[in-house]
Amino acid sequence: TQLLEQSPQFLSIQEGENLTVYCNSSSVFSSLQWYRQEPGEGPVLLVTVVTGGEVKKLKRLTFQFGDARKDSSLHITAAQPGDTGLYLCAGAQGAQKLVFGQGTRLTINP
Amino acid sequence: EAGVAQSPRYKIIEKRQSVAFWCNPISGHATLYWYQQILGQGPKLLIQFQNNGVVDDSQLPKDRFSAERLKGVDSTLKIQPAKLEDSAVYLCASTQVRLNTGELFFGEGSRLTVL
Repeated sequence: TQLLEQSPQFLSIQEGENLTVYCNSSSVFSSLQWYRQEPGEGPVLLVTVVTGGEVKKLKRLTFQFGDARKDSSLHITAAQPGDTGLYLCAGAQGAQKLVFGQGTRLTINP
Repeated sequence: EAGVAQSPRYKIIEKRQSVAFWCNPISGHATLYWYQQILGQGPKLLIQFQNNGVVDDSQLPKDRFSAERLKGVDSTLKIQPAKLEDSAVYLCASTQVRLNTGELFFGEGSRLTVL
């Protein structure tokens, strides 16, 4: 059983379109992180959200933490080919344990 | 600042053989993690060290996997004997601060293929 469910698992869209990726759980997390991973590399942190209802923006990326701290979303506006990659959400349980979702593989076509 | 170093980057072995992966975390990072990432999936935690002590190894298949972190710095992950289903990327990560406010820094990973 996956503690963190991401949807969709695969997404292929055209450049310029908008998209949203979801990360859902029945568990409460002390914080939630989003990472992006490119082929042959390790995941790289994009953002950490800590407070229920928190919204953070990183250029064209908007991250939201659910009010109950069980879910999160990542919205990309006007997607570009450089946004292509594997997007991973990860929930922190306590101070030191991080659990990852299965990832969303995003492909932006020129 | 140097990142997390892992070696080897690639390893191909036959089933029942043994393999070892090495990780050097970022200097000063007390917490070190080994994750297993099977193709198409998210990373799965195998073991977590705080300095040279094990914090969590609940998902480590202890009949074949072992890990150590001597002197609280470098770490080695060993698989013996390997099975076909062990084919994956083994990611090492480290962090300095409390995870719920801090960042996990990953190495590039060691890709294992078991034939």
